[in-house]
Amino acid sequence: GAVVSQHPSWVICKSGTSVKIECRSLDFQATTMFWYRQFPKQSLMLMATSNEGSKATYEQGVEKDKFLINHASLTLSTLTVTSAHPEDSSFYICSATRGLAGNNEQFFGPGTRLTVL
Amino acid sequence: SQKIEQNSEALNIQEGKTATLTCNYTNYSPAYLQWYRQDPGRGPVFLLLIRENEKEKRKERLKVTFDTTLKQSLFHITASQPADSATYLCASRRDSSYKLIFGSGTRLLVRP
Repeated sequence: GAVVSQHPSWVICKSGTSVKIECRSLDFQATTMFWYRQFPKQSLMLMATSNEGSKATYEQGVEKDKFLINHASLTLSTLTVTSAHPEDSSFYICSATRGLAGNNEQFFGPGTRLTVL
Repeated sequence: SQKIEQNSEALNIQEGKTATLTCNYTNYSPAYLQWYRQDPGRGPVFLLLIRENEKEKRKERLKVTFDTTLKQSLFHITASQPADSATYLCASRRDSSYKLIFGSGTRLLVRP
């Protein structure tokens, strides 16, 4: 149990276009989902926290108008990178907690590799 | 600010030996530390969690220790195998929130 999927696993797009990444909890209800970004050989950096039915909370330095997050249901959160630029190229990973956000364990998705040309 | 640091240099060991990875934290006292495995191009996979009141925790060939005096956690893999080759991440809760902060990870290479 506790499987998180992401779609697509990789995407290549032209500069200026928007890209949507989906994160789904397959066998549990995820009240809270998290979005991370990871650059090569670097740590996972939290971008935002997403709670079902409410607005996402963004970390300092993350532009909410550029990285649109929608947590429409207890099993789906989406991250849309708007007007993508080459510097947005990165590995985007989502995670979910089962039940309350205070639970210790986060279940991670397999990640989405975004390349902006 | 709260920091988690891991040795950025890759650890290269012979199959069958014990791998020991280090995680140091500064400027806070985490209630627990977590260890994850991350393979190239994949998301992290949870391995073990150790709480501040636990000295040691084991799971099969894995062992984690937590030394609050040294502000350090050690992650051991005994009888290492080439399949253990991956990057291992240390993580902890950030201040009193449910958010996690991660170390940059240590890459482990186990030679056959």
